[in-house]
Amino acid sequence: QKEVEQDPGPLSVPEGAIVSLNCTYSNSAFQYFMWYRQYSRKGPELLMYTYSSGNKEDGRFTAQVDKSSKYISLFIRDSQPSDSATYLCAMIRRDDYKLSFGAGTTVTVRA
Amino acid sequence: EAGVAQSPRYKIIEKRQSVAFWCNPISGHATLYWYQQILGQGPKLLIQFQNNGVVDDSQLPKDRFSAERLKGVDSTLKIQPAKLEDSAVYLCASSLTSGSVDTQYFGPGTRLTVL
Repeated sequence: QKEVEQDPGPLSVPEGAIVSLNCTYSNSAFQYFMWYRQYSRKGPELLMYTYSSGNKEDGRFTAQVDKSSKYISLFIRDSQPSDSATYLCAMIRRDDYKLSFGAGTTVTVRA
Repeated sequence: EAGVAQSPRYKIIEKRQSVAFWCNPISGHATLYWYQQILGQGPKLLIQFQNNGVVDDSQLPKDRFSAERLKGVDSTLKIQPAKLEDSAVYLCASSLTSGSVDTQYFGPGTRLTVL
């Protein structure tokens, strides 16, 4: 069983829709939670970072963490074609600070 | 601020050949990482350097992969000999420090195809 599970999709939505992405994890040592965005032929770039259960908003993006269920989510409101990318969840353990990635979900926003 | 630079961007080789990738991290970043990203998977850490010392190489296939970071700046990753399953994107990342949650900044990657 992988430490971090993420549905690879792909996910296709019309412009303006809400995109919902999620990951589950099995290791309780994960303390910090990130979402990276990776455009085609580019490296991942950090989108959002949080360490506590609850919601964190940044513009059209909301990251949600539920440590009791070992479940994290990313919501994109009013999605735009420029949001078309692969979204990777990532987590850091509090003991060694290693970054563990999910497989990534490919999102296409249709104009 | 310049980002993480990598070269070459693409490489195609035959199996059993050797190949080398180069990475120049963001200026002032002490920690450098090499990741392997196979198609459809998330990046997997191969090796982590703190300055010019190795912090973690537990996932590096040492019979064929080697890496160095001379003078604590640039780094090279080598594969010798390459196998078909080494086809992947090799990502270099850097951060200010290790042992913390400093943001890792990724380069564009080198896409390796082994035929």
